[in-house]
Amino acid sequence: QVHLQESGPGLVKPSGTLTLTCSVSGDSVSSGRYYWSWIRQPPGKGLEWIGYVYDSGITNYNPSLTSRLTISVDTSNNLFSLRLSSVTAADTGVYYCATAYSSLSWFGPWGQGILVTVPS
Amino acid sequence: SYVLTQPPSVSVAPGKTARITCGGNNIRSKNVHWYQQKPGQAPVLVINDDSERPSGIPERISGSNSGNTATLTIDRVEAGDEADYHCQVWDGSSGQVFGGGTKLTVL
Repeated sequence: QVHLQESGPGLVKPSGTLTLTCSVSGDSVSSGRYYWSWIRQPPGKGLEWIGYVYDSGITNYNPSLTSRLTISVDTSNNLFSLRLSSVTAADTGVYYCATAYSSLSWFGPWGQGILVTVPS
Repeated sequence: SYVLTQPPSVSVAPGKTARITCGGNNIRSKNVHWYQQKPGQAPVLVINDDSERPSGIPERISGSNSGNTATLTIDRVEAGDEADYHCQVWDGSSGQVFGGGTKLTVL
């Protein structure tokens, strides 16, 4: 069973860069079995897919975030990362990492989530 | 972009049936997945591919998909079913898309 754990700063300054990592146990990020994904949830709102990385480098991003987003894999440390630049208060929320079996499939399992705040 | 529409809230008495809808243009052509999310917790998959139940999900929970509406049905609702429910599909132009979520209240 794959287990995921998010980590990173809980507070990011406006116009700065949000960087989060997702540590993976129970599988290798280079196995090719999963699409390693990020999903976020603004306070009191629904879920928003951010993007995924697959096969150690193939990515697909939410069209609304593409210009600010990088998702990458660190095979040495068995983790994957999210970098979101030029953040604003609208980027505040709980960020989840999750797995998917394909680009079309459902998500699961999920990490526990990490709250990131960008003050206005 | 592809949009999924859910009612913000649904209320039901214990022991009754709850139906949560997810509307989208020709959604019947897509595979719909449903998640249950309790306060402070990550979402948990309860239905995948319109009507498949993952291991450990009770038979009281079922899904269907027809026309422009997918439906999550919870029979014999219990207090423990109170949660937010989210639908999700893949769209070729938009990528992975989630509905806005529905808060299920057990009266």
